[in-house]
Amino acid sequence: DTEVTQTPKHLVMGMTNKKSLKCEQHMGHRAMYWYKQKAKKPPELMFVYSYEKLSINESVPSRFSPECPNSSLLNLHLHALQPEDSALYLCASSQGLAGGRRTQYFGPGTRLLVL
Amino acid sequence: GQQVMQIPQYQHVQEGEDFTTYCNSSTTLSNIQWYKQRPGGHPVFLIQLVKSGEVKKQKRLTFQFGEAKKNSSLHITATQTTDVGTYFCAGLSGGSNYKLTFGKGTLLTVNP
Repeated sequence: DTEVTQTPKHLVMGMTNKKSLKCEQHMGHRAMYWYKQKAKKPPELMFVYSYEKLSINESVPSRFSPECPNSSLLNLHLHALQPEDSALYLCASSQGLAGGRRTQYFGPGTRLLVL
Repeated sequence: GQQVMQIPQYQHVQEGEDFTTYCNSSTTLSNIQWYKQRPGGHPVFLIQLVKSGEVKKQKRLTFQFGEAKKNSSLHITATQTTDVGTYFCAGLSGGSNYKLTFGKGTLLTVNP
């Protein structure tokens, strides 16, 4: 089973709202990722967690705040977003970060619209 | 930084024709992964290539990794309408670099 689940599927929020995106995997993977994907573009890496610790932050604005409560869950807290933050937010996971364990499996994503 | 160039950007074929997309990396890769994203969908993992000169097949799909581990290709034989989507290559360099560098993708459309 290579399933990564994400909720919600769609989200519309105002620029003053606070919302959270959730991601879950039960594959025993120890690395989890957040990506942002604009239309007709490849996914852009935002954050990497390894063993529940933040390993990489790709200079993402502080209005995006990741959280990894446990090895199966990954959250992305959103606050004071801008319209240009509207995109598909993808979660991915991999067994680990080393060598052949880095194959990433993506969830279905959350389509975010910021008004 | 590492860059992965992918061509063509778009490819429209008649059903039954073959299709190929190519990726070239500015640096040597430890492995390359291929993903397919259907319109309105999310990237779905297809395959990972690790060894120099590796060739892998999945039914009508053939994946190659170059001898220098800097280029890769995906070839689809006798395309079907179900092959429609964007195909991304994504390369990983060695060591502690965890970042998967994506090509810009090739959007394949198939005329029935």
